[in-house]
Amino acid sequence: AQTVTQSQPEMSVQEAETVTLSCTYDTSESNYYLFWYKQPPSRQMILVIRQEAYKQQNATENRFSVNFQKAAKSFSLKISDSQLGDTAMYFCAFWGTSGSRLTFGEGTQLTVNP
Amino acid sequence: SAVISQKPSRDICQRGTSLTIQCQVDSQVTMMFWYRQQPGQSLTLIATANQGSEATYESGFVIDKFPISRPNLTFSTLTVSNMSPEDSSIYLCSVSDAPTNEKLFFGSGTQLSVL
Repeated sequence: AQTVTQSQPEMSVQEAETVTLSCTYDTSESNYYLFWYKQPPSRQMILVIRQEAYKQQNATENRFSVNFQKAAKSFSLKISDSQLGDTAMYFCAFWGTSGSRLTFGEGTQLTVNP
Repeated sequence: SAVISQKPSRDICQRGTSLTIQCQVDSQVTMMFWYRQQPGQSLTLIATANQGSEATYESGFVIDKFPISRPNLTFSTLTVSNMSPEDSSIYLCSVSDAPTNEKLFFGSGTQLSVL
């Protein structure tokens, strides 16, 4: 069974600065997908970024980028130029191609301060 | 990306009653998932619902408590039966982007409070 661990329950950052959220996972699969989802107070789960395990290049979406270290089973999210609207709970998630299910980490509450 | 409508958005229910949550998708999808998010916690998969077959439940969840229907490729319901205060949670419907199943999209969730 896969496990996803987020060791930072809460983080804060000043507006316009950069913050990195950590995620580690454990799996025996060789092909899988990793995700970061954002959940603001509205409850809506919003896909932030996705990484395919067989791609060595780190995924980037505007101000969001990941540092994917497959051997270390690490998948961190970097948010550049933080904005107040980035305040939310962030979940790291794992999708194994054999399991057909999304496994979530415990979440990191990010607060962006003005 | 799929657009998912989930109803109701929130409800307050009495102990011992049942609530049915509806999930409507704007396109045909193979796999639909139901998640529970207890207060302050992460998402836990309740079951996977595929059209034309019975739902597959995760450990700790049973059909008698959480019956699921999947009558077609765009619609599903989850019923929370014989509710207790411990069922107070957010319930989320999600779908995958078949055929690749590389992304999961979520409805806006149902905030359930049981008194």
